[in-house]
Amino acid sequence: AQSVTQPDIHITVSEGASLELRCNYSYGATPYLFWYVQSPGQGLQLLLKYFSGDTLVQGIKGFEAEFKRSQSSFNLRKPSVHWSDAAEYFCAVVLRGTYKYIFGTGTRLKVLA
Amino acid sequence: NAGVTQTPKFQVLKTGQSMTLQCAQDMNHEYMSWYRQDPGMGLRLIHYSVGAGITDQGEVPNGYNVSRSTTEDFPLRLLSAAPSQTSVYFCASSSPRGSGGAETQYFGPGTRLLVL
Repeated sequence: AQSVTQPDIHITVSEGASLELRCNYSYGATPYLFWYVQSPGQGLQLLLKYFSGDTLVQGIKGFEAEFKRSQSSFNLRKPSVHWSDAAEYFCAVVLRGTYKYIFGTGTRLKVLA
Repeated sequence: NAGVTQTPKFQVLKTGQSMTLQCAQDMNHEYMSWYRQDPGMGLRLIHYSVGAGITDQGEVPNGYNVSRSTTEDFPLRLLSAAPSQTSVYFCASSSPRGSGGAETQYFGPGTRLLVL
């Protein structure tokens, strides 16, 4: 079955530390890949997306993600976390040619001052 | 542009009652969708539409109806509410332009629904 896995439910990092959030997918073919962020009480905002081409994708707020076909992964990274990055992060995929998005269960990020 | 708007923000229903969650967008987006968000389960697609008059089921469609009579509006109807439908509901829209789901989705602020 098609699925998206975010293995870390909670992650805590200190401000200024680096961050990596994991996302793995299970599809027969490479889907379109997305990372969204949700601040408390808010809707979701797109951080970045991958369609094809360069496997390192740059997004907003200093985030980047790397697509690794061999590992079926699309991990989100940031070199130096800011307190305002505390939020919940969702990986999402959609099979090419369809419109059925599947979201991971989310990773809640806590940032220590 | 107001973007994607949802009403109401919060609603309490009794089991068996019906209601409609409203969603509107002013970006002329062809694609609109409804999700529910439950703790530990992420967002799950309920229904989606790729244009006026065209709707399809997502992952969790049971208990919900939709219609799309205009490009701007995509209401979600609960015909007979159940406690299992207690959730936060998000509407989203995008402009696929034939890319088969590759475009950014813009989300509304959500409707929090409690069914007693």
